[in-house]
Amino acid sequence: AQSVTQLGSHVSVSEGALVLLRCNYSSSVPPYLFWYVQYPNQGLQLLLKYTTGATLVKGINGFEAEFKKSETSFHLTKPSAHMSDAAEYFCAVSDQDTGFQKLVFGTGTRLLVSP
Amino acid sequence: DAGVIQSPRHEVTEMGQEVTLRCKPISGHDYLFWYRQTMMRGLELLIYFNNNVPIDDSGMPEDRFSAKMPNASFSTLKIQPSEPRDSAVYFCASSPLREIYTDTQYFGPGTRLTVL
Repeated sequence: AQSVTQLGSHVSVSEGALVLLRCNYSSSVPPYLFWYVQYPNQGLQLLLKYTTGATLVKGINGFEAEFKKSETSFHLTKPSAHMSDAAEYFCAVSDQDTGFQKLVFGTGTRLLVSP
Repeated sequence: DAGVIQSPRHEVTEMGQEVTLRCKPISGHDYLFWYRQTMMRGLELLIYFNNNVPIDDSGMPEDRFSAKMPNASFSTLKIQPSEPRDSAVYFCASSPLREIYTDTQYFGPGTRLTVL
């Protein structure tokens, strides 16, 4: 069965610092991987996704993630944090075994950005 | 487009009462999803529809939960009878069929349900 592990329920950074949010997945077949962001009192919004092809994926708001099959990881990064990046971030996986439309989400990481 | 619309945004009810949550997907989207978010269990897929037909309801927790999609522009999630452990934020999402395996799910703002 698929699963997603997000290390760290909370990550704190200073404005301008590197953002690194970790995601490891488990899937017996090639996965599709997603990062979603949730701002307070809002629904989730897609940041980026990996399907096939280039393993470094660029998303909105300056975020990017790299699919590393050997490490079963899909970590999210941003070179310089902004105050507006404070939100909760969810990694998700899907694959052909369970249905590509069926996303399995991690437990989320709350990003705190201090001035 | 107005995005995915959910109503009500907040619902407070007493244990044993029937609760109905409503969702209007983005026009033209072929898939509709219902999720539940709690602190303990995170974000869970309850059920999803394709062209108004339920495809996978394995995430529906109990027979007290039911979901319908009578047409392409409306879906309901009903809990009868409600229990305090049903308190959560319920999200509806929709997705087009342009890229059948990979397309983005667009989430509504959620309904925060509190069962006393």
